[in-house]
Amino acid sequence: NAGVTQTPKFQVLKTGQSMTLQCAQDMNHEYMSWYRQDPGMGLRLIHYSVGAGITDQGEVPNGYNVSRSTTEDFPLRLLSAAPSQTSVYFCASSNTGNGANVLTFGAGSRLTVL
Amino acid sequence: GQNIDQPTEMTATEGAIVQINCTYQTSGFNGLFWYQQHAGEAPTFLSYNVLDGLEEKGRFSSFLSRSKGYSYLLLKELQMKDSASYLCAVRDNYGQNFVFGPGTRLSVLP
Repeated sequence: NAGVTQTPKFQVLKTGQSMTLQCAQDMNHEYMSWYRQDPGMGLRLIHYSVGAGITDQGEVPNGYNVSRSTTEDFPLRLLSAAPSQTSVYFCASSNTGNGANVLTFGAGSRLTVL
Repeated sequence: GQNIDQPTEMTATEGAIVQINCTYQTSGFNGLFWYQQHAGEAPTFLSYNVLDGLEEKGRFSSFLSRSKGYSYLLLKELQMKDSASYLCAVRDNYGQNFVFGPGTRLSVLP
C-alpha cells in the first residue's frame, strides 16, 4: 500500500517556467488537497477536491491550477513560476463523511524558483 | 477569520513531560488534530479530539476545550526521537478542509 505518492521530490525552475507536481493515492480517498509550507507560516491550503470532476480554491490559489479527472490523481500546475512560489508542497488525502477522516500526506516536493 | 496560535519553539529534557498549547479562533469547528513533523519529512497524524476532554494514546495525550478554543498536546517520558515540529489543525464545519497552526518546534535535550 503506497499511500500518497508525490513527484518530483525536488525541482528547480526559472521564473516564468511552468511545471506540474504529480500526486496519486491508492486508498480510494474522495478528498484530496494541496498545501504549501513556508517557514513560520504553517501549512496553507492551495486547492482541494472532494471527488472526481470537482475542485475548489483554498486560501492561496493564485498562480496554481488543479484538475481531478480520476479519484486517484490530483496534479498541481504552476502556470508561470515566480520566486514567491519557492516552497515545500504537500499533497494530502482523506476519506469523507463521519469520523476522524485523518489527512494522509505525501512525502513533499521542494520547489525552488530562481 | 481563521487563526491558530502555538508557541514557536520549546525545549525539554529527555525523560521529562512537556505540554504544547494551541488556541484557535475559526469560523467553524469539526475536530482538532495534532500532527508530528520531523525535519524534511511529511506530517504524520498523532491525535484527534472532537469532544471536550482528554484523549490518551500511549505516551501522548491531547486535551480539548471547545468553549475556550483551547487544546494541548502532552508528551510524557520524552525521547530524543520526539524532537520534531508539532502541528495543531482545526477541521471546518463541512468536515473537509483543515486550518493549520504555524507549528511548535520541540527540541529534546539529553
